[in-house]
Amino acid sequence: EPEVTQTPSHQVTQMGQEVILRCVPISNHLYFYWYRQILGQKVEFLVSFYNNEISEKSEIFDDQFSVERPDGSNFTLKIRSTKLEDSAMYFCASTTSGAFFGQGTRLTVV
Amino acid sequence: AQKVTQAQTEISVVEKEDVTLDCVYETRDTTYYLFWYKQPPSGELVFLIRRNSFDEQNEISGRYSWNFQKSTSSFNFTITASQVVDSAVYFCALSEGMTTDSWGKFQFGAGTQVVVTP
Repeated sequence: EPEVTQTPSHQVTQMGQEVILRCVPISNHLYFYWYRQILGQKVEFLVSFYNNEISEKSEIFDDQFSVERPDGSNFTLKIRSTKLEDSAMYFCASTTSGAFFGQGTRLTVV
Repeated sequence: AQKVTQAQTEISVVEKEDVTLDCVYETRDTTYYLFWYKQPPSGELVFLIRRNSFDEQNEISGRYSWNFQKSTSSFNFTITASQVVDSAVYFCALSEGMTTDSWGKFQFGAGTQVVVTP
């Protein structure tokens, strides 16, 4: 069964460093999303991406965040200068007729 | 404003008991989708069920069943004869609008922790 794959599963980074979270969506899907879940809290929408551009973003998705699809398969989320409060589980999702989530990347900022 | 409310923070049951999770949503759209996801301790989000706003038929799928009532904006989920492996956080989610794009933009509830003990 096709699935959304995220790497790495866990990343530890120092405050102020840049991180790139990677996702390989399901191959025939056209819409891509990033969500964030701070430990113990609900899952929050960050951004949606279609046709190589952002279609919608939340208030959380400020200038420190960026997304791209560099090679037609990977879908990345970059955080330019990480803060302690960026520590969370980040989920990628892709969809055509239903949303499928990756297993998540746990980001720990120290 | 909270669009999806899961009032139950935690439910503890003994194995084989039934568990019903409440979900109340708020939307002005006439077309929307409702979902339930399970998040086990390993952290991934597992899709359980999806319902569109035009289909109020309630169904049973194995040990899972749901009760969708537009009149009360509720989308409750029941696990029958619970098992220890059902222990997880369960999220209700709303996706508004008709475009395919909207299928992926979810508004999640706060989640309900289900603890099933042997």
